[in-house]
Amino acid sequence: KAGVTQTPRYLIKTRGQQVTLSCSPISGHRSVSWYQQTPGQGLQFLFEYFSETQRNKGNFPGRFSGRQFSNSRSEMNVSTLELGDSALYLCASSLVTGGSSYEQYFGPGTRLTVT
Amino acid sequence: DAKTTQPPSMDCAEGRAANLPCNHSTISGNEYVYWYRQIHSQGPQYIIHGLKNNETNEMASLIITEDRKSSTLILPHATLRDTAVYYCIVRSQGEYGNKLVFGAGTILRVKS
Repeated sequence: KAGVTQTPRYLIKTRGQQVTLSCSPISGHRSVSWYQQTPGQGLQFLFEYFSETQRNKGNFPGRFSGRQFSNSRSEMNVSTLELGDSALYLCASSLVTGGSSYEQYFGPGTRLTVT
Repeated sequence: DAKTTQPPSMDCAEGRAANLPCNHSTISGNEYVYWYRQIHSQGPQYIIHGLKNNETNEMASLIITEDRKSSTLILPHATLRDTAVYYCIVRSQGEYGNKLVFGAGTILRVKS
């Protein structure tokens, strides 16, 4: 079974631009969560989508948004990029959502550099 | 904020058991203990989870104290490939959604 895939793997953008990252979950998984990882803040939860609905949202500004499609693939968008948005963006997929979702499977991440 | 406390780093000799402690003194009755690890430049990987009984799988063993205020992840025969950051996470069975709250974790260095 193929794992979680994320595209692109690396991205360089300029301040003020916007960016869209993509995540394809494991086949059959309906939950996709997004995380930001930086050296200073560590791994922080951005949001989760389940059956095309946002289930949960972390403490990030509205410039960070996401969506999920009917095939469970998810995209996240960051508008008006700032230098501090440089990070590794990870997505995780799970079969279900909520307390019984014991295992979450992470993708390799997208490394975003904002210059 | 993370509900767990872990040592920032540990060393282990290759072939020996690696014992990674985690303190979760405020854990409540319906909260599970999860362990994930992150090898450099990769996404985190699920290792094991438990509620109150000790658990074992092909990767590791999880020992939870009787009062559930602390736990230990055991890698029985550590290899160089086990060098990673190990995260101990507490999460409720009834929690809404799949949010994981990661702390700083423990950097495990396995040395030959």
